[in-house]
Amino acid sequence: GAGVSQTPSNKVTEKGKYVELRCDPISGHTALYWYRQSLGQGPEFLIYFQGTGAADDSGLPNDRFFAVRPEGSVSTLKIQRTERGDSAVYLCASSPVAQGVSSPFFGPGTRLTVL
Amino acid sequence: GESVGLHLPTLSVQEGDNSIINCAYSNSASDYFIWYKQESGKGPQFIIDIRSNMDKRQGQRVTVLLNKTVKHLSLQIAATQPGDSAVYFCAETYTGNQFYFGTGTSLTVIP
Repeated sequence: GAGVSQTPSNKVTEKGKYVELRCDPISGHTALYWYRQSLGQGPEFLIYFQGTGAADDSGLPNDRFFAVRPEGSVSTLKIQRTERGDSAVYLCASSPVAQGVSSPFFGPGTRLTVL
Repeated sequence: GESVGLHLPTLSVQEGDNSIINCAYSNSASDYFIWYKQESGKGPQFIIDIRSNMDKRQGQRVTVLLNKTVKHLSLQIAATQPGDSAVYFCAETYTGNQFYFGTGTSLTVIP
């Protein structure tokens, strides 16, 4: 079946603008994760959803970042007043088990560039 | 664990040789571990996982070894092929909510 998809694949924006990044998880997967990856580093945790609720948002760097998953499937990561330091690849992953005891499957990522 | 910046550890092997990639994890409470492969411009791809009640697990051409005493994980790739060239990450979790990724190791296979 289809894997995790993310749109757009690339996003270029100007400092101070608002952006939305979309994630379509694998059908039936209840757990959804957002990670951020900077060049030459491993993915860094941002937020974890079980169903519709954010079970763990401790990785969000500040209140400019927000994510939703209103129907327990598609998720949107929202970044307000973007800064140049937000430039990175934003990765979404999903897994079939609500308690996260199985491996997350990652999408291809959205490369965000803030000018 | 901490990221060490832009200088990834690197490993170069001849095609056909075996590769061993190592990872030191940080939390003795971690109970589930995963190895991922990441090619340029793509998301991490699952390779193999292991739970803390095991010390070895084998897949197709890959073996993961877990040493909880010294908090060490290794990935062995048999008969390495050019298509194995990528960055390899280990990931650990103890909550199931967050997976902590290491810095990664860049593997280059020389034909």
